[in-house]
Amino acid sequence: DAKTTQPPSMDCAEGRAANLPCNHSTISGNEYVYWYRQIHSQGPQYIIHGLKNNETNEMASLIITEDRKSSTLILPHATLRDTAVYYCIVRVEGGANSKLTFGKGITLSVRP
Amino acid sequence: DTGVSQDPRHKITKRGQNVTFRCDPISEHNRLYWYRQTLGQGPEFLTYFQNEAQLEKSRLLSDRFSAERPKGSFSTLEIQRTEQGDSAMYLCASSPQTYTEWTGNTIYFGEGSWLTVV
Repeated sequence: DAKTTQPPSMDCAEGRAANLPCNHSTISGNEYVYWYRQIHSQGPQYIIHGLKNNETNEMASLIITEDRKSSTLILPHATLRDTAVYYCIVRVEGGANSKLTFGKGITLSVRP
Repeated sequence: DTGVSQDPRHKITKRGQNVTFRCDPISEHNRLYWYRQTLGQGPEFLTYFQNEAQLEKSRLLSDRFSAERPKGSFSTLEIQRTEQGDSAMYLCASSPQTYTEWTGNTIYFGEGSWLTVV
């Protein structure tokens, strides 16, 4: 059972920032927020994850609200190659039950 | 390439035949996962191994499905007496068991093996 809620789709213009929202109102204290994306016909690609602090890497930034009930993935300068399905997943680090449970994700379409 | 490797990438088989997929995880990752994905859906968990031990199996893993990881390295997923409903992409993923500051505990996926049952 997915523990996150994402809009089904969104679009943005190439070169602009893409802000992808995710709700995880029942997140537990030991659960991290993970983001993956899946470009058509490929395996899911890890993007970023965080616990409560904002995180940034070469691909994206992750903003987690102070109450941890929602987060936003930011692609600062979207390109056409960022068109994909983006999955927001909550997951316990390590432990016996650390598998990823995917929902339907959000389909991001980047338009020229 | 040191990522998760899956073979074959594509397989077309006749209904009733057996098929086997192989997964080579990232070196030194002792956890290995299998997922299945059908068109328009997110990946669905099938099973996972920690070293050679199969620790969890989903209800999706019917009796016709069997996964092994005999030496704690590569894994195979066999589907016996394939049915058209088995047509899907089969994804393998791996991760370290223990979170460390250097490696984290992130799960990395392969490119998947597409199965078409005709």
